[in-house]
Amino acid sequence: DVKVTQSSRYLVKRTGEKVFLECVQDMDHENMFWYRQDPGLGLRLIYFSYDVKMKEKGDIPEGYSVSREKKERFSLILESASTNQTSMYLCASSLPPASSFNTQYFGPGTRLTVL
Amino acid sequence: QKEVEQNSGPLSVPEGAIASLNCTYSDRGSQSFFWYRQYSGKSPELIMSIYSNGDKEDGRFTAQLNKASQYVSLLIRDSQPSDSATYLCAAFGAGGTSYGKLTFGQGTILTVHP
Repeated sequence: DVKVTQSSRYLVKRTGEKVFLECVQDMDHENMFWYRQDPGLGLRLIYFSYDVKMKEKGDIPEGYSVSREKKERFSLILESASTNQTSMYLCASSLPPASSFNTQYFGPGTRLTVL
Repeated sequence: QKEVEQNSGPLSVPEGAIASLNCTYSDRGSQSFFWYRQYSGKSPELIMSIYSNGDKEDGRFTAQLNKASQYVSLLIRDSQPSDSATYLCAAFGAGGTSYGKLTFGQGTILTVHP
């Protein structure tokens, strides 16, 4: 079974803090993704990575950065948290795009509240 | 911006009925499509994937794909209260800036009442 884990289920931070969200997958997947999910807006892609040290902007990268130093780990960084970054953050992983089986598998999510 | 549209909900069906969830997509080059189920407060879990035109059945679930009409659907037979969840349709990007990414629809909330 694919397993994607995220460092925290719930997180409360203050405005201006630097926030790290960690994601680890155990299936040796090349691709990893960070989404945020908000009511009425659906799932929106923040950043993704095809390989170690590679990163690509998604649809809403502003205010975020990422780090992928090891294949199994993909970190999302909020440089200076703001209240509009209060959301559910979901990490996912998958095989490369060229694979026919490019299903994305999601972690349990981190519900971040910024006060 | 490639889009995936799902029929507006919420959808309410009685226990034992067939629930029909629909989805259209704008990227004509998309080849892979996915249905995820998401319970309240939980992350999406994959329930069906489909790559070829026609029907694909898995237990009580049937996914249907019509690439000419750019249409994907999910049928849930013998609906159970445990099927009550939000169902997300997703299309895999075929090329350009969409390549390698999933585009999700807004989701349809399904409620199965006893």
